[in-house]
Amino acid sequence: DQQVKQNSPSLSVQEGRISILNCDYTNSMFDYFLWYKKYPAEGPTFLISISSIKDKNEDGRFTVFLNKSAKHLSLHIVPSQPGDSAVYFCAPQGGSEKLVFGKGTKLTVNP
Amino acid sequence: NAGVTQTPKFQVLKTGQSMTLQCAQDMNHEYMSWYRQDPGMGLRLIHYSVGAGITDQGEVPNGYNVSRSTTEDFPLRLLSAAPSQTSVYFCASSYSKENRKLFFGSGTQLSVL
Repeated sequence: DQQVKQNSPSLSVQEGRISILNCDYTNSMFDYFLWYKKYPAEGPTFLISISSIKDKNEDGRFTVFLNKSAKHLSLHIVPSQPGDSAVYFCAPQGGSEKLVFGKGTKLTVNP
Repeated sequence: NAGVTQTPKFQVLKTGQSMTLQCAQDMNHEYMSWYRQDPGMGLRLIHYSVGAGITDQGEVPNGYNVSRSTTEDFPLRLLSAAPSQTSVYFCASSYSKENRKLFFGSGTQLSVL
């Protein structure tokens, strides 16, 4: 039973444009949502998070939106830069000690 | 401050061999965990620990053992390696199970022939 779905395995955008990465979840116990970024041959690093009491959190070029009724969150990167090329993992948490991750979306930002 | 340190970075095993992947953190984190990353499968939780002496199973625990005798160390043992265990392994830690921001090591690439 896949609790976290990132339905787009890959996404390609032009430098300077917006990147939108999506994540859907099924567990209504999730109350905190994190995004991690992973470069090749490195471990994932924390990028941005949002609590279920909010619907938006912004940090520089990165904004995460949460739609609890739809059980959907998205990560917006504006403007996208070539250095943003990485795999992005959605990681909803809550109701369990087991911290689960989505399968990831590989973002490629073309110069 | 080294963060989360994993050793070795690369390892090749023959089927049936055993080995231990080491993980150490110097941030006094209570929560530690092991994930494996496979193509198209994302990060899957193997085992986790919420404190010294306490461990529990994740999504894919079969074929792996863990122990947590100290706060700093959380080794992952492969009892009898199988080709299906070829993967990249990541150790991660956080301040507590409630503080969900994980810090990851740089990974161990394991090949089982």
